[in-house]
Amino acid sequence: GQNIDQPTEMTATEGAIVQINCTYQTSGFNGLFWYQQHAGEAPTFLSYNVLDGLEEKGRFSSFLSRSKGYSYLLLKELQMKDSASYLCAVRDTTSGTYKYIFGTGTRLKVLA
Amino acid sequence: DVKVTQSSRYLVKRTGEKVFLECVQDMDHENMFWYRQDPGLGLRLIYFSYDVKMKEKGDIPEGYSVSREKKERFSLILESASTNQTSMYLCASSLGTGASYEQYFGPGTRLTVT
Repeated sequence: GQNIDQPTEMTATEGAIVQINCTYQTSGFNGLFWYQQHAGEAPTFLSYNVLDGLEEKGRFSSFLSRSKGYSYLLLKELQMKDSASYLCAVRDTTSGTYKYIFGTGTRLKVLA
Repeated sequence: DVKVTQSSRYLVKRTGEKVFLECVQDMDHENMFWYRQDPGLGLRLIYFSYDVKMKEKGDIPEGYSVSREKKERFSLILESASTNQTSMYLCASSLGTGASYEQYFGPGTRLTVT
């Protein structure tokens, strides 16, 4: 079957670096996405990985290892506005069409 | 900027009512999706559509149906609302399904069924 795991909650201090991990199991992997969702708002796209390695976008970076079924989102120079839930999503083709499978999200609290 | 709009932010319906949730996107996207989001369960796919008049079941289609008569509009229908359908409903669209085509989400409709 398909499964995505990520920690439920994390806490970090303003200015610090935090790494949010995501592990997945699927036989039809076709890309991994990270989204940010502030409380009461819609998810917004952060990053995309389909090949192994690190993708950097300003303060945010995302890493993928397909052989390990593992990704992480790295947030540097944390700001209070980074307090949000971070959703890991895998695009899967096991059913013959593209489907997006989401993890339950990691709620990040940034403390002053 | 891509804009995905949903007909209501908050909705309260009674058990047994037929409920329509509307979603409109303004960027000529091929693909549209309906999810529900519940605490501890994350986003779960109800239905999706890759073209006008085309629909495919997601992971939890029971109790729901959809309609896509025009490219920009994707409707979710609860044929007979039940209390276990109380949830946040999110619509999303994407340009395509390959490459880095991310999904753009609407603001969500918080539906309460009493």
